[in-house]
Amino acid sequence: EDQVTQSPEALRLQEGESSSLNCSYTVSGLRGLFWYRQDPGKGPEFLFTLYSAGEEKEKERLKATLTKKESFLHITAPKPEDSATYLCAVRDYGGATNKLIFGTGTLLAVQP
Amino acid sequence: NAGVTQTPKFRVLKTGQSMTLLCAQDMNHEYMYWYRQDPGMGLRLIHYSVGEGTTAKGEVPDGYNVSRLKKQNFLLGLESAAPSQTSVYFCASSYGRGQGSVEQYFGPGTRLTVT
Repeated sequence: EDQVTQSPEALRLQEGESSSLNCSYTVSGLRGLFWYRQDPGKGPEFLFTLYSAGEEKEKERLKATLTKKESFLHITAPKPEDSATYLCAVRDYGGATNKLIFGTGTLLAVQP
Repeated sequence: NAGVTQTPKFRVLKTGQSMTLLCAQDMNHEYMYWYRQDPGMGLRLIHYSVGEGTTAKGEVPDGYNVSRLKKQNFLLGLESAAPSQTSVYFCASSYGRGQGSVEQYFGPGTRLTVT
C-alpha cells in the first residue's frame, strides 16, 4: 500500500536556525513527489515537484531534494514568515489520474 | 485569474440536512478533486473527475456524491449530513494526462460543522 510519512510532526526554530523536514514514501513506482505549504485557515499552496532521485529544486530559503526512499525540505536561515504546515505528497505509477497521497504534514514555527 | 474558488467558506448543518459545495476553476484544468482534511489524518481524496461528465470514487467516498456538468465546476453533495462529516473540505484541479504540469492547485476550503 502506498504510504507517505512526514517527520517531525512539529518543529520550532529560532529565526536564522537552518533545519530539514523529512518525507519518507513507499510507492509502487514514483511519478512525482510534491511539496506544499499550508497556512492556517487556507488551502495548500504548491511549492515543488521532484521526479527522480538526485533532483533538487530551490525557492528562496527552501530547497527540496529527492532520494529513492525520501525527500527533504531544507530551510536555510528561516524567517517568521516561513511558519506554516509543510505537506508532502506522492503520485504513484498506477493511474493516469494525477491522484496524490498526502502525508500528515510538519508544523513549522519560526520564532523571531 | 481567480484560480480555484469554493463556496461557501463556512457552513453549519444539523444531522440529516443536505447541502452542496461548489468548486470553480478558471485555469482550463481537465482534472478536479475533492478532499477532506481532518486533524492528524492529512488530506484524503473523496471523489475526483478526469473530465466533464465523468466522476470516480476516491479513498473516502461514502456519504458524498459529486457532479461535473461543466468543465470549470465540480460539485460535492452531502445528502444526509452526519457529525462524522465535520471537516474542512478542499477542492483542487490540475491539467490532465499529457496536457502539462501535473501539480494540483487548491481552493481556500470550506469549513463544515455538522451538529
